[in-house]
Amino acid sequence: NAGVTQTPKFRVLKTGQSMTLLCAQDMNHEYMYWYRQDPGMGLRLIHYSVGEGTTAKGEVPDGYNVSRLKKQNFLLGLESAAPSQTSVYFCASSYGVASGMDQETQYFGPGTRLLVL
Amino acid sequence: DAKTTQPPSMDCAEGRAANLPCNHSTISGNEYVYWYRQIHSQGPQYIIHGLKNNETNEMASLIITEDRKSSTLILPHATLRDTAVYYCIVRVGGYNFNKFYFGSGTKLNVKP
Repeated sequence: NAGVTQTPKFRVLKTGQSMTLLCAQDMNHEYMYWYRQDPGMGLRLIHYSVGEGTTAKGEVPDGYNVSRLKKQNFLLGLESAAPSQTSVYFCASSYGVASGMDQETQYFGPGTRLLVL
Repeated sequence: DAKTTQPPSMDCAEGRAANLPCNHSTISGNEYVYWYRQIHSQGPQYIIHGLKNNETNEMASLIITEDRKSSTLILPHATLRDTAVYYCIVRVGGYNFNKFYFGSGTKLNVKP
């Protein structure tokens, strides 16, 4: 099992450009998440999905859109990148609440470093 | 609102036990405590979690106080590879979604 994978690993954008970050998991997890991590800080939730075809806003959703067309993939889009979106982006997945309250461990990908100039 | 308080950094000698404290005084009865660690800038790695009882696995032990307002992660024999930022997280449950509140974590420095 590859677990959670993210592409690309690193990207440089100019202000106003758009891009899509791809997250894939092979653990048959229902739930998927996108976080961002800024220097010296913990992770903040951007958007999440509780199943194929569903998405919901997290703590810091502005400037981002997401889609979950397939269960194993969760895409994060930046329509018009801004320097404030320079960050490290982590994707995670978990079985979900329906699997039981003790089955909510989130498994994280290796991250995507994004620099917006 | 991080819901947890951790010291920003700690040192530990290689081979000794590392005891990482966490305060979560506002935790509710059905909220779990999770611990993750992040080595360099890699993705966070799951360590252990618990609700009320102490827990142990192959990586660590989790000691939760009886009032559940604080906990301690114990790495029994720290190695240099355990140098990382350790996050104590409270999982807050909702109808169909459980939110993980990440704080700033504790930077554990394991020294030879």
